[in-house]
Amino acid sequence: GESVGLHLPTLSVQEGDNSIINCAYSNSASDYFIWYKQESGKGPQFIIDIRSNMDKRQGQRVTVLLNKTVKHLSLQIAATQPGDSAVYFCAETLNTGNQFYFGTGTSLTVIP
Amino acid sequence: EPEVTQTPSHQVTQMGQEVILRCVPISNHLYFYWYRQILGQKVEFLVSFYNNEISEKSEIFDDQFSVERPDGSNFTLKIRSTKLEDSAMYFCASSYGRSSYNEQFFGPGTRLTVL
Repeated sequence: GESVGLHLPTLSVQEGDNSIINCAYSNSASDYFIWYKQESGKGPQFIIDIRSNMDKRQGQRVTVLLNKTVKHLSLQIAATQPGDSAVYFCAETLNTGNQFYFGTGTSLTVIP
Repeated sequence: EPEVTQTPSHQVTQMGQEVILRCVPISNHLYFYWYRQILGQKVEFLVSFYNNEISEKSEIFDDQFSVERPDGSNFTLKIRSTKLEDSAMYFCASSYGRSSYNEQFFGPGTRLTVL
């Protein structure tokens, strides 16, 4: 079956620094990936997505990089702010389905 | 901004009892989902629903689970006879189109505690 995992369960960064959160996926057939942010007591919130025909996508302060060769996904957050403190999940799905497979999550703590 | 809502926020039940978790998806969305998250573990897909029928379900979604869209606004998840291991956060989500092309919007979740 598919599996998505994260390299680091926790990450602490100083406010203003850049954060990088990593994710490994195992299904080479996955073709759509999303990063979600989950704050305490809330549901996952979409941050940014990327399709398998791309290797980089940028949003506001966030960049997702996809390396299909090693099945690796990363989320870069520029100028991290205290409001970025949350758990971040990557999720993957196949183009043919509606089922998302989530990673375990990385807890990001921003130190003021 | 439209959002997915879920009720109740916390449900406590005895083992063996039936529970119904309720969700109101975003009004113009066509695809609906249930996920669960056991404490400290990853979010797991349960089921997707489109055009009044289940379009996909995971191994977790066994005969104890059922979903229904009883009217034009609600989307429910029923667990017929709850087990201790059903204790988890249950998230409802909705999207306008298929997951591979459309963002899924998640509700705040219902925390189910089975005693």
